[in-house]
Amino acid sequence: QLQLQESGPGLVKPSETLSLSCTVSGAYIDSSPSLWGWIRQSPGKGLEWIGTVYSDGTTYYNPSLKSRVTISVDTSRNQFSLSLTSVTAADTSLYYCARLPSAASYFDFWGQGTLVTVSS
Amino acid sequence: QSVLTQPPSASGTPGQRVTVSCSGSSSNVGSNFVNWYQLLPGTAPKLLIYGINQRPSGVPARFSGSRSGTSASLAISGLQSEDEATYYCSAWDDSLNGPVFGGGTKVTVL
Repeated sequence: QLQLQESGPGLVKPSETLSLSCTVSGAYIDSSPSLWGWIRQSPGKGLEWIGTVYSDGTTYYNPSLKSRVTISVDTSRNQFSLSLTSVTAADTSLYYCARLPSAASYFDFWGQGTLVTVSS
Repeated sequence: QSVLTQPPSASGTPGQRVTVSCSGSSSNVGSNFVNWYQLLPGTAPKLLIYGINQRPSGVPARFSGSRSGTSASLAISGLQSEDEATYYCSAWDDSLNGPVFGGGTKVTVL
């Protein structure tokens, strides 16, 4: 059974960079034609797609965040990562990592999420 | 402000049928498959419905989806206490070239 687990600091200062990793177990990131993505949920708000990455490093980002987001993949660690620069309080959210099967429009496996608070 | 519009809440008694609506546009719901997720606090989101009305293995048949034009619906027939959760709709958006989501509907079992 595929499992994903987010990890990273729970508190980030304003203007700094938020960095999270997602460890995949139960399958190799580069063994299937899937994309791997990040989604967030701000307090009291709905879900927001941040971006996705193929195992070859090809990325797709939400235009609203594109200038601040980098998603990368490390096949040797079976992980993919999120970097969000110049964070503000508006970036305080529950961050999820998930798998998007190739040619699909849905995320079929998700991590439990990790709460990141932006505060000084 | 979410791209897809859902009512914030819905409720029903055990055994009742509850529906959750999801309104979008021609660039998302109107032209692409609609998916539904179930979120419970502290747990990983669960894919409930994909491709408008397909259920992943293990999802009970009481959950069903439909679409008409730029609106979609999730129906829960025979509501059970364990169905108390927040439900999100989602669809690929051709303008965004990525998935968009609704604001979520909290379903309460009375």
